[in-house]
Amino acid sequence: AQSVTQLDSHVSVSEGTPVLLRCNYSSSYSPSLFWYVQHPNKGLQLLLKYTSAATLVKGINGFEAEFKKSETSFHLTKPSAHMSDAAEYFCVVTNSGGYQKVTFGTGTKLQVIP
Amino acid sequence: SAVISQKPSRDICQRGTSLTIQCQVDSQVTMMFWYRQQPGQSLTLIATANQGSEATYESGFVIDKFPISRPNLTFSTLTVSNMSPEDSSIYLCSGRAGTRGETQYFGPGTRLLVL
Repeated sequence: AQSVTQLDSHVSVSEGTPVLLRCNYSSSYSPSLFWYVQHPNKGLQLLLKYTSAATLVKGINGFEAEFKKSETSFHLTKPSAHMSDAAEYFCVVTNSGGYQKVTFGTGTKLQVIP
Repeated sequence: SAVISQKPSRDICQRGTSLTIQCQVDSQVTMMFWYRQQPGQSLTLIATANQGSEATYESGFVIDKFPISRPNLTFSTLTVSNMSPEDSSIYLCSGRAGTRGETQYFGPGTRLLVL
């Protein structure tokens, strides 16, 4: 079985403060994990991905995520929020089995307060 | 990264009509998929578009309602047939690429409103 849980449906931070968006997963196979961002009225853009190399992954726009197998987590962080970071963020897991099933989290809406 | 385009970007349609959405991907893409994103929700996979053969549909989606074609590696269409207001959604085309084909890229989406 494979699942993704985004622990917060909404996160609100002040501009310039750190961002933490939480994601936990379960997978029967060695997973690949992704974070996507969706700005209002836009498609999904890949922020970063983990595919069994370095556990700390750096992505675009200053975001990074750390794969922690012992905690089955892949939390997304950014040291300092910018107004342009306000968007919906999706955590996604795929397995490395013969059929690469893709599972989406329910999304976290990030609000950045000026 | 793979480049994926869709058209139309948005449309407003009358109940009972059909709309065909086109998706063009670049040559890096191996597999192609169609997703639906209902307002305020996450993505739901409709089907995998198979080149030259019938699409593989997920539970709850049927070919009569969502016929899909993929005549070649880089092009696919999704038709939303006999539309009702419940079909109002964003429809996203997606393609898989990457070293092991593990990364999915998305088109900008088609925003459909059915009146």
